[in-house]
Amino acid sequence: GAGVSQSPSNKVTEKGKDVELRCDPISGHTALYWYRQSLGQGLEFLIYFQGNSAPDKSGLPSDRFSAERTGGSVSTLTIQRTQQEDSAVYLCASSPQHGQTLYGYTFGSGTRLTVV
Amino acid sequence: ILNVEQSPQSLHVQEGDSTNFTCSFPSSNFYALHWYRWETAKSPEALFVMTLNGDEKKKGRISATLNTKEGYSYLYIKGSQPEDSATYLCAFYDLRGNQFYFGTGTSLTVIP
Repeated sequence: GAGVSQSPSNKVTEKGKDVELRCDPISGHTALYWYRQSLGQGLEFLIYFQGNSAPDKSGLPSDRFSAERTGGSVSTLTIQRTQQEDSAVYLCASSPQHGQTLYGYTFGSGTRLTVV
Repeated sequence: ILNVEQSPQSLHVQEGDSTNFTCSFPSSNFYALHWYRWETAKSPEALFVMTLNGDEKKKGRISATLNTKEGYSYLYIKGSQPEDSATYLCAFYDLRGNQFYFGTGTSLTVIP
């Protein structure tokens, strides 16, 4: 696609429910990143994919968080048994190749998750 | 986790004023620094990619400088306009961790 698409743009969920956040990167970008920004905090790295594999899962806050990427394209971030501290803006970004730093990331417009 | 600090946290300026803010990062193992502008309800947009000590980049009224030896970058906005209102993020690329670390951003509000 022309840009990075994320859906939904807003999600309000009850504590304890599972949510799925979707990211559709730029076509041909092999690297895909998930970040989140909680209120008053900086962008926190969650996970990245090179192709379909995720070499570094160290940023995932707990085992309630998981992510997958299929076909080297769309990625889904799943949060199980949501807690109020999961409320944040979840941003996805893509780049032509992981470790390539000559160009900035292309970000989506984010999913604002509110856990009530 | 690396410490990338931005200051000030927020800034209010009058239209027409010039302003600047700072990104501080570890001075060892520098590889690249990116600046982004993040307007409310939009995607962060890449402004500058900086790789060499002494780099100066310019885009319209916005410019940035880089000092890798002392570990800081400045972003300058000349003659601020209301449309410059946004959060400005810097991101430091760490070779050891092979990823970008973002600062908490500087939130700029330009008052008409």
